[in-house]
Amino acid sequence: AQKITQTQPGMFVQEKEAVTLDCTYDTSDPSYGLFWYKQPSSGEMIFLIYQGSYDQQNATEGRYSLNFQKARKSANLVISASQLGDSAMYFCAMRELNNNAGNMLTFGGGTRLMVKP
Amino acid sequence: DTEVTQTPKHLVMGMTNKKSLKCEQHMGHRAMYWYKQKAKKPPELMFVYSYEKLSINESVPSRFSPECPNSSLLNLHLHALQPEDSALYLCASSQTPGTSGRGEREQYFGPGTRLTVT
Repeated sequence: AQKITQTQPGMFVQEKEAVTLDCTYDTSDPSYGLFWYKQPSSGEMIFLIYQGSYDQQNATEGRYSLNFQKARKSANLVISASQLGDSAMYFCAMRELNNNAGNMLTFGGGTRLMVKP
Repeated sequence: DTEVTQTPKHLVMGMTNKKSLKCEQHMGHRAMYWYKQKAKKPPELMFVYSYEKLSINESVPSRFSPECPNSSLLNLHLHALQPEDSALYLCASSQTPGTSGRGEREQYFGPGTRLTVT
């Protein structure tokens, strides 16, 4: 069963504007972590931001913030002041902390973001 | 240093060849991973090593053979591959699982090896 869903295959945003990338997840484990990774065309997966299931506040890292709505099981990524270098594939991922698989990440299908000048 | 290195960056091999992909990290991580990523798809986990022992094999065909000679190195030996095995192969490392924590256990990825099987 699909555990991570990213419903936007592709998105455009105007340079300097904010953009929200959607992510919903499904788990029965009360302890889990949510991650966002950026993958430019070069291929490397770049860690952006992390949200733990017990964290009281939404995570922020520079221009990245995570809009965590636990009851809705959503973890949307907000990128403020978009830059041309933000054009890339973005993956949402989840780690369930109480399963025997330890540190396995489950990835969503990804969203391709294109920033227009 | 949060770098994971992978060699080679690109590899073209025939179906009868034997080749190896290499991955190295010096962050003291004791968990290392191999992922396969086809174009426009998310990474798919292949293998997990924890403390140099294979802990997860996601039903990967035997033509892929992983090896973890020490805590810093991870190899993927390739033999008799098929054209459909052409993909980006990503290596990652992380701290080993333990009690829940914050982002300390995020996985750090290498730049990948783009493999083409002809």
